[in-house]
Amino acid sequence: DAGVIQSPRHEVTEMGQEVTLRCKPISGHDYLFWYRQTMMRGLELLIYFNNNVPIDDSGMPEDRFSAKMPNASFSTLKIQPSEPRDSAVYFCASSFSRTGELFFGEGSRLTVL
Amino acid sequence: GEDVEQSLFLSVREGDSSVINCTYTDSSSTYLYWYKQEPGAGLQLLTYIFSNMDMKQDQRLTVLLNKKDKHLSLRIADTQTGDSAIYFCAESISNNDMRFGAGTRLTVKP
Repeated sequence: DAGVIQSPRHEVTEMGQEVTLRCKPISGHDYLFWYRQTMMRGLELLIYFNNNVPIDDSGMPEDRFSAKMPNASFSTLKIQPSEPRDSAVYFCASSFSRTGELFFGEGSRLTVL
Repeated sequence: GEDVEQSLFLSVREGDSSVINCTYTDSSSTYLYWYKQEPGAGLQLLTYIFSNMDMKQDQRLTVLLNKKDKHLSLRIADTQTGDSAIYFCAESISNNDMRFGAGTRLTVKP
């Protein structure tokens, strides 16, 4: 398996633009997680899905952030409109269980100017 | 406290031992994990320990668990420059959650 695949690896955009980050989890994993990493706040869980259903989105910063998982092999994290404080590395991870080993993608580095 | 706590930085000389410490929150945590993040990459599981164990050794890595103090440590023997990375402590929590520390940035100087 190729592992968790994220795209784009890097995105630079201007404030107010819509940003869509994509993730393909490892086949067979039932859980998918979106994390955000910044120097100031470390690693934050934004949302996670179980069997394509959002279970806990309490970490989503505000209504500008939304996440979907239309099928077992694809998820998106959307920010609309984007703001400079959204600049971070966004990681997708997948797992067989909620508290087992997480397999992380290489991350999407977002810069909002 | 509510957070998994780690010191943010550690610097050692090549060949020395590194010890990264962590305090966690839930005395009933089942598993405790150490993840490693190399520059420009995602986190990768390095090792883990089950809560009924005090120690686990895997080649150059030694994990020590003190349940009474809710303290976890990772010792890397004969630290190499390739060990330079951010190391995250994580706990699985009884309410079916996983909590990560902020990460310790290990710098290995030649």
